[in-house]
Amino acid sequence: KNEVEQSPQNLTAQEGEFITINCSYSVGISALHWLQQHPGGGIVSLFMLSSGKKKHGRLIATINIQEKHSSLHITASHPRDSAVYICAVLYGGSQGNLIFGKGTKLSVKP
Amino acid sequence: DTAVSQTPKYLVTQMGNDKSIKCEQNLGHDTMYWYKQDSKKFLKIMFSYNNKELIINETVPNRFSPKSPDKAHLNLHINSLELGDSAVYFCASSQTSGSLGQFFGPGTRLTVL
Repeated sequence: KNEVEQSPQNLTAQEGEFITINCSYSVGISALHWLQQHPGGGIVSLFMLSSGKKKHGRLIATINIQEKHSSLHITASHPRDSAVYICAVLYGGSQGNLIFGKGTKLSVKP
Repeated sequence: DTAVSQTPKYLVTQMGNDKSIKCEQNLGHDTMYWYKQDSKKFLKIMFSYNNKELIINETVPNRFSPKSPDKAHLNLHINSLELGDSAVYFCASSQTSGSLGQFFGPGTRLTVL
């Protein structure tokens, strides 16, 4: 069983729709990271959070440490949001490493 | 300026060869990492390294070895390449060990024929 589970694995949406990607983890963590991987392969860090909520443009990330759950929301989705979104958790304290989810492939149709 | 750079971007080679992938970061970070992304897009840590400690994922074959000539570089050497080594390899760096503030390089797609 993966320690980090993402859902859904694949998501197709129409432009303008509100998108939610979920991440659940089974280990105690220090913090959580949302990453975006574009079709060309490059990985970009979106958010790093350990509590509450963060917002950047149309992207919102929330985390509930007690429930071991995080969500990434995209408002007013656009085709350029099409990418793989990866959740990663920092496990093992300050010297720990990231454990990655398998990613959610998002495709936004015009 | 590129924060984390990798060379080459693409590497095609024959089984049994020895190859290296270079990684450089200009962020002044203390810790660097190598990740392998398999065909199913799953990322796995291979190594993390700062000037004090090399942490190796126990599942990584000893044909893989990181070499750090200085704090800004962490190169990945692979000996006796095998077909299963074909993957995309990502380098990353962070300010301190264990930090989530990791910056990723663009990746190197390795194809072993």
